[in-house]
Amino acid sequence: EIVMTQSPATLSVSPGERATLSCRASQSVSSDLAWYQQKPGQAPRLLIYGASTRATGIPARFIGSGSGTEFILTISSLQSEDFAVYYCQQYRNWPLYTFGQGTKLEIK
Amino acid sequence: QVQLVQSGAEVKKPGASVKVSCKASGYTFNNYYMHWVRQAPGQGLEWLGIIDPSGGTTSYAQKFQGRVTMTRDMSTSTVYMQLSSLTSEDTAVYYCARSPGYFDLWGRGTLVTVSS
Repeated sequence: EIVMTQSPATLSVSPGERATLSCRASQSVSSDLAWYQQKPGQAPRLLIYGASTRATGIPARFIGSGSGTEFILTISSLQSEDFAVYYCQQYRNWPLYTFGQGTKLEIK
Repeated sequence: QVQLVQSGAEVKKPGASVKVSCKASGYTFNNYYMHWVRQAPGQGLEWLGIIDPSGGTTSYAQKFQGRVTMTRDMSTSTVYMQLSSLTSEDTAVYYCARSPGYFDLWGRGTLVTVSS
């Protein structure tokens, strides 16, 4: 099983500033890495797949980068609607597509 | 409209079973694998298993082997997830998610509460 580790667990950032979220895989997942956003009471929403490709309708301020075992999700100029929990997921190891434990992005 | 519509909330007693449905619409049902993921209150996302709608082949997380069964009905484009021998630890929101690899379409979730 590939273990995904996200850091930090909680990130406090002011609106308008940049947020940087990290995700590390216990072994290489190449670029088979996705990011999801989840708001309270809602299902997760796909933001990024292929480590850096934005899903349909996702604003350009969401930027994914990395490959192998180290990945970053950058959210530039945070909007109020961006405060949520973010999960990374590897889909390299079929079919056990493991998730990170999540990073809660909160308003500073 | 491309969507996954899940069945409603369930309350079950310990030891019982639950069967949750997920009806797909707006796309070719057998072109995408379907996964099931759950989320306990205040916790992260936990993968339960996968079903290939075209052939019915399944694969389950080791943790749930022997307790989970995933099936599909091609005539109604619906997948089902049954979990047996429920305990309070199974109280969670259960999601189905379509997968071309990553999970690009999610159901709204079904809350399963296990309580005596």
